[in-house]
Amino acid sequence: GAVVSQHPSRVICKSGTSVKIECRSLDFQATTMFWYRQFPKQSLMLMATSNEGSKATYEQGVEKDKFLINHASLTLSTLTVTSAHPEDSSFYICSAPGGQGAYTEAFFGQGTRLTVV
Amino acid sequence: LAKTTQPISMDSYEGQEVNITCSHNNIATNDYITWYQQFPSQGPRFIIQGYKTKVTNEVASLFIPADRKSSTLSLPRVSLSDTAVYYCLVGDSYSNSGYALNFGKGTSLLVTP
Repeated sequence: GAVVSQHPSRVICKSGTSVKIECRSLDFQATTMFWYRQFPKQSLMLMATSNEGSKATYEQGVEKDKFLINHASLTLSTLTVTSAHPEDSSFYICSAPGGQGAYTEAFFGQGTRLTVV
Repeated sequence: LAKTTQPISMDSYEGQEVNITCSHNNIATNDYITWYQQFPSQGPRFIIQGYKTKVTNEVASLFIPADRKSSTLSLPRVSLSDTAVYYCLVGDSYSNSGYALNFGKGTSLLVTP
């Protein structure tokens, strides 16, 4: 199947700094990618939709100025957590659809564990 | 809107068959039923998808009764490595484009020796 790769898999940063997470589709092109956040013992929460060549769309309650998304190419989307704080510590996961149409299989990255100290 | 209900957790011993049932009483005519698996500290991965009756692949089987108001994911002879969270998704688990997924709480399966 298709592969989505995230980098880094784990990052620790100081409070107030910014962290960039990359999401790459390795063997297919993705005009749309999705970013999720998952807190311990909880389900995945959709944060935003990343659109190649245009602005990302954010879910209600997600601060677009804090979570900057850039989708500069058909294989790369980045999520930058700006001015990170301990409450931003979470597991961030990206995904890309494997095709078009409803119910298409989604391919997920391995996730990035962010710890803000 | 279709809403899914799954057991929060299940326990099993190695070698047993595990059946996880998902209720979706308001499933729409065009909705498919999809299951994803998530290992600890990893992204989810697609397991199986079906519309009606029975679907089987190398990982699992999916049983869907005629009324489609529920579905059962069957994992044959589980091993310790099947310990994971299993998510059932239907209809409104998907965005309008069918791409983004809204995950419910899922079922946390623990397999022990």
